[in-house]
Amino acid sequence: GIQVEQSPPDLILQEGANSTLRCNFSDSVNNLQWFHQNPWGQLINLFYIPSGTKQNGRLSATTVATERYSLLYISSSQTTDSGVYFCAVNFGNEKLTFGTGTRLTIIP
Amino acid sequence: ETGVTQTPRHLVMGMTNKKSLKCEQHLGHNAMYWYKQSAKKPLELMFVYSLEERVENNSVPSRFSPECPNSSHLFLHLHTLQPEDSALYLCASSLDRREQYFGPGTRLTVT
Repeated sequence: GIQVEQSPPDLILQEGANSTLRCNFSDSVNNLQWFHQNPWGQLINLFYIPSGTKQNGRLSATTVATERYSLLYISSSQTTDSGVYFCAVNFGNEKLTFGTGTRLTIIP
Repeated sequence: ETGVTQTPRHLVMGMTNKKSLKCEQHLGHNAMYWYKQSAKKPLELMFVYSLEERVENNSVPSRFSPECPNSSHLFLHLHTLQPEDSALYLCASSLDRREQYFGPGTRLTVT
């Protein structure tokens, strides 16, 4: 079946470190989004990136659609970056399928 | 208000109660969605409305009843829920079924 896998499941880093989060998906995608879920449950849009590379401040993302993966890069981590990061993909229908997330903890 | 709003933010209800969750989007979008997030499970799509017509019902029990009176408002009517229905319920909207934007969620506890 259609699958979205994220790695690593958990990541603990010191403030100032860089990190790479990975999302693998099992089929061609029409839409891929990265979200940050804060401790209160709010899903915050980071990137809409079905292909290519985008950057927004300390965050950047790359999707290689032909190889069915996407990467989220966080540089110079801050404690406010803590939370769960989700990758979600749309395989051509109404449904946005979410991965199980990467829980990032930034230690001061 | 801007973006996607949801009320109430927290709700505790008994199994015999009837309540409704409300979602409103201020983005000029034409599609709206309900998702459920249970502890230790991925977000699950429940319902999709596009141009005010329901286009997906993801095998959701009938004790959950959605309503979309116009493109800016979405409701989820709840009745005779079970304790396992306790979860975070998230509303989202999009334009032409593209990038989805989420509300802050309603944390529901069924006692």
